[in-house]
Amino acid sequence: EIVLTQSPGTLSLSPGERATLSCRASQSFSSSYLAWYQQKPGQAPRLLIYGASIRATGIPDRFSASGSVTDFTLTISRLEPDDFAVYYCQQYGSSPEYTFGQGTKLEIK
Amino acid sequence: EVQLVQSGAEVKKPGESLKISCKGSGYRFTDYWIGWVRQMPGKGLEWMGIIYPGDSDTRYSPSFQGQVTISADKSLSTAYLQWSRLKASDTAIYYCARHSSGPYNWFDPWGQGTLVTVSS
Repeated sequence: EIVLTQSPGTLSLSPGERATLSCRASQSFSSSYLAWYQQKPGQAPRLLIYGASIRATGIPDRFSASGSVTDFTLTISRLEPDDFAVYYCQQYGSSPEYTFGQGTKLEIK
Repeated sequence: EVQLVQSGAEVKKPGESLKISCKGSGYRFTDYWIGWVRQMPGKGLEWMGIIYPGDSDTRYSPSFQGQVTISADKSLSTAYLQWSRLKASDTAIYYCARHSSGPYNWFDPWGQGTLVTVSS
């Protein structure tokens, strides 16, 4: 089973700043199988990115992502108040098996 | 609009049984896998299992195999998650989500979640 480790656990930034979130896998896998989600308090997760770097429909272009093999990154270029939330990476493995990272909480500084 | 609507919150006692539902609309329900995800209070997301309503092919996470049963009724466009004997540790929010088709693997959209509280 692949383990996803997200860092940092909590990121404190101000609106307008740039956020960089990391997701590291314990084993390599295809970047096609990496997705990112945003979850706000009291809401269901929302798909942001799939295929490691493809924005989902309706996701603003201030969200970008990259990475491959075992290291993946989600970047929010200019934080807006609505972006403060918890972010999860997720990978797909054979069997099938789906693994989520433990999440990064992006909070207002 | 593609939508998944889940059944309402439940309060149960340990040892009781429960079946919660997830109704899909806005797409051909039989063509997409539906996954279930647990979120315990204040914690992260855990994948539980997935079902293909077209033929009821079901796969479970090893962590949840034997603990829950996933099923679907394609005539009702509804997937289900059930427990035969609830435990206090089953207290959580449970989400259903539609799985992607094609070469990528992601879940979208998600249901609104069903809060299950198990307490004596």
